[in-house]
Amino acid sequence: DIQMTQSPSSLSASVGDRVTITCQASQDISNYLNWYQQKPGKAPKLLIYDASNLETGVPSRFSGSGSGTDFTFTISSLQPEDIATYYCQQYDNLPHTFGQGTKLEIK
Amino acid sequence: EVQLVESGGGLVQPGRSLRLSCAASGFTFDDYAMHWVRQAPGKGLEWVSGISWNSGSIGYADSVKGRFTISRDNAKNSLYLQMNSLRAEDTALYYCAKGEMATILSYFQHWGQGTLVTVSS
Repeated sequence: DIQMTQSPSSLSASVGDRVTITCQASQDISNYLNWYQQKPGKAPKLLIYDASNLETGVPSRFSGSGSGTDFTFTISSLQPEDIATYYCQQYDNLPHTFGQGTKLEIK
Repeated sequence: EVQLVESGGGLVQPGRSLRLSCAASGFTFDDYAMHWVRQAPGKGLEWVSGISWNSGSIGYADSVKGRFTISRDNAKNSLYLQMNSLRAEDTALYYCAKGEMATILSYFQHWGQGTLVTVSS
């Protein structure tokens, strides 16, 4: 199975800050990497697909980059409504695997 | 608008069975793969199983292989998960998720709100 290592596991930042989360795959997954946001008590929501494509309706302050084994997710200017846990997920091979999540809090 | 509504969760004893259902609407169901993803209380996301548009390709996580069976009824716009030999570690919120394309190697574009399965004596 492909292991997805996400860091950090938790993060505290101020409104307006630039926030970056990284995800590393245990083998080359090309660009088959997605990012999801999960707010407390809610279902996950797709934000970024294929490493860098913004899902329709998602604010442009969210972005993703990377290929191969190393990927980055960025919020350019943190907003209060961005408080959530963020997960990366690969779909290069079965089984689909997720990172362990990054819990983002407001400082 | 895409809607996915899960049902069938509940409290079940270890070793027993449960069948989850997912009713889909707002899209052409038989054009897309479908998946089950679960989340144990306070834990992260775990893909459980996926099925292609025509049931020709199916995959399972190792943790459920041989115990769970995914199926779909395209005429009824419904997805199912038959869960047998349930264990305490199967306790989780089970989400139904729509793939982005017909094959099971795709991202999860839409999610339901989940149905809770609790395995306990």
